Amino acid sequence: GQNIDQPTEMTATEGAIVQINCTYQTSGFNGLFWYQQHAGEAPTFLSYNVLDGLEEKGRFSSFLSRSKGYSYLLLKELQMKDSASYLCAVIKDDKIIFGKGTRLHILP
Amino acid sequence: GAVVSQHPSWVICKSGTSVKIECRSLDFQATTMFWYRQFPKQSLMLMATSNEGSKATYEQGVEKDKFLINHASLTLSTLTVTSAHPEDSSFYICSAKRTPRLSNTEAFFGQGTRLTVV
Repeated sequence: GQNIDQPTEMTATEGAIVQINCTYQTSGFNGLFWYQQHAGEAPTFLSYNVLDGLEEKGRFSSFLSRSKGYSYLLLKELQMKDSASYLCAVIKDDKIIFGKGTRLHILP
Repeated sequence: GAVVSQHPSWVICKSGTSVKIECRSLDFQATTMFWYRQFPKQSLMLMATSNEGSKATYEQGVEKDKFLINHASLTLSTLTVTSAHPEDSSFYICSAKRTPRLSNTEAFFGQGTRLTVV
């Protein structure tokens, strides 16, 4: 089976930096995704990590440590539009399995 | 990026009726599509994997006779919720993968279907 854990909710201030952590326990790991989802909409792809290390893409960065079963999504220069849920998901048996998601609230 | 279109975006139906949701890959061929269900403030739960030309693979706890999946072509998969009940009200999302191995690329999501059973 697989367990994917991430905080339920987080709050940060506009212009600041926030890190959303994700831990997972799964056999047959083949990569990890981060998605952004606004209420009532489909998820939007943010990043994909399959090797250890940091992947940077603009204001968003994602880190993976396979030995620790750990990933984080780092969001810089937060904007109000970043208020959304952030979903950590792992690839297992060629399927994407999602964690429960972290609702991020941005304060002005 | 690749486009996946889901139809309808929202539907209201009476309890006991059936509802069909379509998922189309518009600019690529998708040998595999995935169907998810999402209840309010919860994450996406994988229901089934839809394979073109073969039977769908259902996740544990998902009733295959209630959620009928048909993947008749490389660009279309349908999910039919049969004998719908109010507890089936949810957000249903499909996704399609463009390459044979999911680990090489992201899966593309449809815009979702909000089903309300009254």
